[in-house]
Amino acid sequence: GAVVSQHPSWVICKSGTSVKIECRSLDFQATTMFWYRQFPKQSLMLMATSNEGSKATYEQGVEKDKFLINHASLTLSTLTVTSAHPEDSSFYICSAPDVSLGQETQYFGPGTRLLVL
Amino acid sequence: GENVEQHPSTLSVQEGDSAVIKCTYSDSASNYFPWYKQELGKRPQLIIDIRSNVGEKKDQRIAVTLNKTAKHFSLHITETQPEDSAVYFCAASNSGYSTLTFGKGTMLLVSP
Repeated sequence: GAVVSQHPSWVICKSGTSVKIECRSLDFQATTMFWYRQFPKQSLMLMATSNEGSKATYEQGVEKDKFLINHASLTLSTLTVTSAHPEDSSFYICSAPDVSLGQETQYFGPGTRLLVL
Repeated sequence: GENVEQHPSTLSVQEGDSAVIKCTYSDSASNYFPWYKQELGKRPQLIIDIRSNVGEKKDQRIAVTLNKTAKHFSLHITETQPEDSAVYFCAASNSGYSTLTFGKGTMLLVSP
């Protein structure tokens, strides 16, 4: 199947700093990518839909000025958590559908574990 | 928007038994229903999916059934093995390319 990578896999930062997470589709092009957040023992909650060449679409309750999304190319989307605080500590996962073969499978990245001290 | 309910939240079975996880959805426009398995600290992995024009799909020990009228779908795992232990999530969308709405997950524990 298609491969989606994320970097970094984990990050520890001080409160108030910004953290950038990259999501890459390695062997296919993705005009759309999705960003999720998962708290311990909870489900995946969609944060936003990243669209190549246009603005991201944010879910209700997600602050677009805090979670900046940039989809600069057909293989890269970035999520920047600005002025991170301890409550932003979570597991952030991206996904992307591979439409090249007409398949509907969404492939997930390995996730980024963020700990804000 | 779509709302997906998943039951049970935890499920413990003995090795070799069958396990069934059930989900309901609210949006009649949804037509794509994937199931993901997530091991601790890892990414969700697709294990099986079904579209609304099919009532049942099977892949070795795993099967999914869909009742479009009642808006519910179920995951069936037969001859469970300890390595099946994980959290399973159902999801729904109106296309595989669209946003997925996930259920809250079921923690499956298979005891040897």
